[in-house]
Amino acid sequence: AQSVTQLDSHVSVSEGTPVLLRCNYSSSYSPSLFWYVQHPNKGLQLLLKYTSAATLVKGINGFEAEFKKSETSFHLTKPSAHMSDAAEYFCVVIPKRGGGADGLTFGKGTHLIIQP
Amino acid sequence: NAGVTQTPKFRILKIGQSMTLQCTQDMNHNYMYWYRQDPGMGLKLIYYSVGAGITDKGEVPNGYNVSRSTTEDFPLRLELAAPSQTSVYFCASSHGTAEDGYTFGSGTRLTVV
Repeated sequence: AQSVTQLDSHVSVSEGTPVLLRCNYSSSYSPSLFWYVQHPNKGLQLLLKYTSAATLVKGINGFEAEFKKSETSFHLTKPSAHMSDAAEYFCVVIPKRGGGADGLTFGKGTHLIIQP
Repeated sequence: NAGVTQTPKFRILKIGQSMTLQCTQDMNHNYMYWYRQDPGMGLKLIYYSVGAGITDKGEVPNGYNVSRSTTEDFPLRLELAAPSQTSVYFCASSHGTAEDGYTFGSGTRLTVV
């Protein structure tokens, strides 16, 4: 079975400070992992993805994530938060390698709040 | 460049009514999906399709039906609406498998009263 745990339901940071959103996964197979972002009343947008290439993955808008197999983690970071980063973030795992036809497994989401 | 288009954006239904949520994509994607999102939860897969004429159940299919007569369209049907179906519904598509990443619609917020 596969599962994703986002360790914080809410994270609040000041504008210009670093962002850390934590994600741990469980998978019977070598996983592919994603981070999606959802702005208010919008659909989900792909931020970045890990598919067994480089363990440090760079995404859009200055975000990056590091795949750590020993810690079963895929934490999302950004050096300096911007007000426009305020949104809901989802960590996602694909159930099985190459078998994505039956969809993704989503974490419950982390709500990122940016304080001015 | 429309991507994935969902209609309607909002809808209120009475218990027992039926409705169809529309989803259209213009990217010639083979794979299409329907998810529901409940407060404080991630998305749950309702149904998916790997191509025209082929559909399959996801994690939470009860109370829903789908069809895929064309590559572009993947409507979701609620036959007898129940309060438990109050949710935000997202349609998504992908060119190949999920590893390619999904394109999501902007969602339909459904309330059943």
